Amino acid sequence: EPEVTQTPSHQVTQMGQEVILRCVPISNHLYFYWYRQILGQKVEFLVSFYNNEISEKSEIFDDQFSVERPDGSNFTLKIRSTKLEDSAMYFCASRGVGETQYFGPGTRLLVL
Amino acid sequence: GENVEQHPSTLSVQEGDSAVIKCTYSDSASNYFPWYKQELGKRPQLIIDIRSNVGEKKDQRIAVTLNKTAKHFSLHITETQPEDSAVYFCAASKNDYKLSFGAGTTVTVRA
Repeated sequence: EPEVTQTPSHQVTQMGQEVILRCVPISNHLYFYWYRQILGQKVEFLVSFYNNEISEKSEIFDDQFSVERPDGSNFTLKIRSTKLEDSAMYFCASRGVGETQYFGPGTRLLVL
Repeated sequence: GENVEQHPSTLSVQEGDSAVIKCTYSDSASNYFPWYKQELGKRPQLIIDIRSNVGEKKDQRIAVTLNKTAKHFSLHITETQPEDSAVYFCAASKNDYKLSFGAGTTVTVRA
């Protein structure tokens, strides 16, 4: 069964550094999402992406964040200048024509 | 925006007993309500979902009920087994499919 994959599984970075989190959605899916989960808190929506543009973004998704689909398979989340409060588990999800979102295994980001 | 509240935060049940998790939502326009199960260190996986035109849906030992008037929905797991131990998340969305999650319920099934 196809699955969403994410790399890396863990990322440690220094405050102020740029990080790129990568996702490979399920191949025939058209809708892509990023969520994050700060330790001990609920999963929060960051951004949705369709037809090569952002459909919606949350208040969390400020100018430090960007998303890109650089080729036909990858979907990336970039944080330009990381802050301590960006430490969280980041989940990518994808959806086909149905309603179900399929989640990747997550990238645990730690900003020191 | 949508606000989803989930209770309880932890739930311990004896194997074979039932488990019930309840969620409320704030936006009456929400029309899709999935439940995800997340085992330790693994991805959230959809276990069941319900749309607002349906009041109840069942899949083997798992059922979900929806009360649109009261804006709440519940997950019922019958005949619990040790492999049901996990964190369960409810979520709600409108036609944009952006998911608003509850805070999660850690379910422990005691053998």
